[in-house]
Amino acid sequence: DGGITQSPKYLFRKEGQNVTLSCEQNLNHDAMYWYRQDPGQGLRLIYYSQIVNDFQKGDIAEGYSVSREKKESFPLTVTSAQKNPTAFYLCASRLKGGGNQPQHFGDGTRLSIL
Amino acid sequence: KQEVTQIPAALSVPEGENLVLNCSFTDSAIYNLQWFRQDPGKGLTSLLLIQSSQREQTSGRLNASLDKSSGRSTLYIAASQPGDSATYLCAMVDGSARQLTFGSGTQLTVLP
Repeated sequence: DGGITQSPKYLFRKEGQNVTLSCEQNLNHDAMYWYRQDPGQGLRLIYYSQIVNDFQKGDIAEGYSVSREKKESFPLTVTSAQKNPTAFYLCASRLKGGGNQPQHFGDGTRLSIL
Repeated sequence: KQEVTQIPAALSVPEGENLVLNCSFTDSAIYNLQWFRQDPGKGLTSLLLIQSSQREQTSGRLNASLDKSSGRSTLYIAASQPGDSATYLCAMVDGSARQLTFGSGTQLTVLP
């Protein structure tokens, strides 16, 4: 079945540590996105990528980094510079075709501080 | 900066009731508006997408409307069921950035 796979489901970070969240899609989608969701809030855009080897900052990119070396993969690194990383992280993808293609979401990774 | 507001934050209704969820947005130059469902600890499932040229979209018991002039969208759920219990989020795409801006959601509980 086609879909978006995020791993791990739960992740714990120690002080000063970088951690990487995985996002893989087999939908042949062009664009991929990373969002952060805090309790009782909507989603906020961290980074997005429209094509391989290119990505743009979203509204809250500070303390995060991404890469897009393959169409299927868009990993997110939460660096030690992100002082409040505890949140639910969601990856999404969609086909090209402007904004009228719906985004498809993975099941998320919950990141907590040890 | 675009803002999307959903009120109320939480809603409880008895099974079988028809209900309306509200979404308001500040940018009249909207490209489209989308409604999503989120179950606890899960990702988002796209329910309906209304393009700026459309006034409504329907899927089964769900109907979403869009009124650009008043900056409002509604999601109508007919004959609600306990399985409809979830958080419903709306998100708009503006005409320039083409990125989603999300509301904070309405947590719906349908009581058996």
